Amino acid sequence: GNSVTQMEGPVTLSEEAFLTINCTYTATGYPSLFWYVQYPGEGLQLLLKATKADDKGSNKGFEATYRKETTSFHLEKGSVQVSDSAVYFCALFRGDSNYQLIWGAGTKLIIKP
Amino acid sequence: DTGVSQNPRHKITKRGQNVTFRCDPISEHNRLYWYRQTLGQGPEFLTYFQNEAQLEKSRLLSDRFSAERPKGSFSTLEIQRTEQGDSAMYLCASSFVGSNQPQHFGDGTRLSIL
Repeated sequence: GNSVTQMEGPVTLSEEAFLTINCTYTATGYPSLFWYVQYPGEGLQLLLKATKADDKGSNKGFEATYRKETTSFHLEKGSVQVSDSAVYFCALFRGDSNYQLIWGAGTKLIIKP
Repeated sequence: DTGVSQNPRHKITKRGQNVTFRCDPISEHNRLYWYRQTLGQGPEFLTYFQNEAQLEKSRLLSDRFSAERPKGSFSTLEIQRTEQGDSAMYLCASSFVGSNQPQHFGDGTRLSIL
């Protein structure tokens, strides 16, 4: 079946550090891949997406590349800020009979000034 | 684009009561989804609509849960005879049709059962 595995959190970094949050997936075919971010007390916001192999999604300094050979979609940012503290979710979507997003468990990111 | 709107933001009720939540999707979106999220977990799919048709329901959705989207616009999620285990954040999302169309989420309704 389809599944998403994320690195466990919390991940604690100092401001301006480099960020990587690992995400790997299991799926047949060619799923679309997404990163969502959830700030405390709020809903989920789409951060970036990629719909085919080797696509790079980017937004607000975050990037992730769809790697089919390693079934990965790792999230990266070169220099994090305190305001990036949130929970990050990796998800995949297959537009087949399920029509639902398959979610990772989320990774809590804490940025210290 | 006013985004997905959910009401109320918070609902506190006694066990055994019925509750109803409302979701107003982005107006051009055909699809509407309901999820449930508990603390420290990712969202769990409950059900989704394409226009007014409810096309899929999760096994998580017991008989006490019912969702409607009568005119293909807003949707309601009702929980009857609430139980402690129903305490969670209920999230609504909407999207266009298509496997690469992202889902846009509202801020959720947090349900607390006393």
